[in-house]
Amino acid sequence: EVQLVESGGVVVQPGGSLRLSCAASGFTFHDYTMHWVRQSQGKGLEWVSLITWNGGSAFYADSVKGRFTISRDNSENSLFLQMNNLKPDDTALYYCARERNCIFYSWGQGTLVTVSS
Amino acid sequence: EIVMTQSPATLTVSPGERATLSCRASQSVSNNLAWYQQKLGQAPRLLMYGASTRATGIPARFSGRGSGTEFTLTINSLQSEDIAVYYCHQYNTWPPGTFGQGTKVEIK
Repeated sequence: EVQLVESGGVVVQPGGSLRLSCAASGFTFHDYTMHWVRQSQGKGLEWVSLITWNGGSAFYADSVKGRFTISRDNSENSLFLQMNNLKPDDTALYYCARERNCIFYSWGQGTLVTVSS
Repeated sequence: EIVMTQSPATLTVSPGERATLSCRASQSVSNNLAWYQQKLGQAPRLLMYGASTRATGIPARFSGRGSGTEFTLTINSLQSEDIAVYYCHQYNTWPPGTFGQGTKVEIK
């Protein structure tokens, strides 16, 4: 069974930093591009970032470019999102998702990030 | 950026009736369109891709059609377990494509 389990979400002050993790199991992790997608309270889905299977390429939404860094450790079947200079607008539930052929086949349950003073 | 517009925002349907959800793209996305279902307090789940191909384990009462700029998701014989928000997502421009704002399906 495919499982994606996010962790690391907490309450952080504006300007602070945070590192999210996603532990993957039940599939061959290094075969997949992985993504972070976020959802603000009562709002829709917003794509944040992706990283290719070997970490060779990464892409970011304009809203987080220069502040967030995505990475992965294929030996540990783990995905990460380093979030710096956090803003109140970054408050959201952050999902990791497994993608193939541009389709999000599996999602985790999410980890909540709250940016507030 | 391609804008995806879903309608209606909320759809109220009686149990056993048909629900028809619409998704319109601001420009053609061919058939590169997926639908996701998100139940309250849960992560999104893939329902449909390629506009009309059901994902693994999705019941046959869910069907999708369309191409270009107009798409529909139909839920035949709505059941209580279908109460959710449904999002369309175009992946013709990648990364990352764009999501619609969602349609909430409620039971009458």
